[in-house]
Amino acid sequence: AQKVTQAQTEISVVEKEDVTLDCVYETRDTTYYLFWYKQPPSGELVFLIRRNSFDEQNEISGRYSWNFQKSTSSFNFTITASQVVDSAVYFCALSDFRSNYQLIWGAGTKLIIKP
Amino acid sequence: NAGVTQTPKFQVLKTGQSMTLQCAQDMNHEYMSWYRQDPGMGLRLIHYSVGAGITDQGEVPNGYNVSRSTTEDFPLRLLSAAPSQTSVYFCASSYRDRATDTQYFGPGTRLTVL
Repeated sequence: AQKVTQAQTEISVVEKEDVTLDCVYETRDTTYYLFWYKQPPSGELVFLIRRNSFDEQNEISGRYSWNFQKSTSSFNFTITASQVVDSAVYFCALSDFRSNYQLIWGAGTKLIIKP
Repeated sequence: NAGVTQTPKFQVLKTGQSMTLQCAQDMNHEYMSWYRQDPGMGLRLIHYSVGAGITDQGEVPNGYNVSRSTTEDFPLRLLSAAPSQTSVYFCASSYRDRATDTQYFGPGTRLTVL
């Protein structure tokens, strides 16, 4: 069955440290989509990235980078030189054929950046 | 563009009461969906719609009804509220008729059932 696992329930680091959030997914489909969303303390959900299964290129956007590895079914998210404003809950999600292309969400990782 | 709007922001109900959570989008998106978010869990899909007049059940549909009479609106109805329905509810939309595109989320409705 399709599944998204974010094993890190909560991570706490000091500002300016680098931090990696793990996401492991399960799917039997060859075509699927992976997402990361951010939920800051204010509660809204903010889209960060979308990746399809045929594009294994790593992505960098400012201090954010994503490492997609099909061999290990992982789509990890790294924040470089973290800032207090990065404090949020981060969700990884999967959309595939067997889920009728609906989103399957991980439980989220709460990231706390201490000043 | 207002994006995705949800009303109300907060609501307290008594067990057995009914109510409708409103969701509207002005981006002409085909796909709309409702999720609930409970502490320590990811979002769970309640119902979704791939276009006006078409709705389908998600992972946790029991106790909820939806309809999609227009492209813009996708209300969620609680028929007889139960304490287990205490949650934060999010509405989302995306351009294509499936959740493979970026989902745009509303601000959420925090519902408490006493």
